[in-house]
Amino acid sequence: AQSVTQLDSHVSVSEGTPVLLRCNYSSSYSPSLFWYVQHPNKGLQLLLKYTSAATLVKGINGFEAEFKKSETSFHLTKPSAHMSDAAEYFCVVAGSSNTGKLIFGQGTTLQVKP
Amino acid sequence: GAVVSQHPSRVICKSGTSVKIECRSLDFQATTMFWYRQFPKQSLMLMATSNEGSKATYEQGVEKDKFLINHASLTLSTLTVTSAHPEDSSFYICSARTLAGAFYEQYFGPGTRLTVT
Repeated sequence: AQSVTQLDSHVSVSEGTPVLLRCNYSSSYSPSLFWYVQHPNKGLQLLLKYTSAATLVKGINGFEAEFKKSETSFHLTKPSAHMSDAAEYFCVVAGSSNTGKLIFGQGTTLQVKP
Repeated sequence: GAVVSQHPSRVICKSGTSVKIECRSLDFQATTMFWYRQFPKQSLMLMATSNEGSKATYEQGVEKDKFLINHASLTLSTLTVTSAHPEDSSFYICSARTLAGAFYEQYFGPGTRLTVT
């Protein structure tokens, strides 16, 4: 079965400093992995996705993530945080057999301090 | 880009009444739609998978008679919360899946905040 674990429930950074949100996955086959962002009382926006192509994936708003099979990780990074990045971030793995089911991590709240 | 809408965005209802939430794909046809539930400060939990013209598939622990799903067309799925109770208060989010090139893409609606008083 597929699963994801987000290692930090809350991350706090200062504006202009790097962001690192950690995610480990478990999958019995080559996974499809995603990062979504959710601003308060809003729906989800796809930041980036990995689907077995390049291991370094670039997304929107300066975010990127690196798929590391040896470490079963898919950490999200951004070189310089902006106040507007404050939100909830979800690491997601696609379920098995191409059903379209998505399995969400518990989420990481990113706080950006001025 | 692909847009998914939900209506209403917020609804308050009295305990014992039923509430219908619509999920529409505005500019594409969705082969499959999904319904999620999100409690405050928690993650999304998949409730059911909805395919056009067939019965929805519910996740373990989700009462199908409580949460009625109808997928009448390739652009519309509805979730009806029957005989709502305060514990049904939650944020309900739908997503719609479509084939884009060689891969499926999934797009999320903005969510519906249900409050049962």
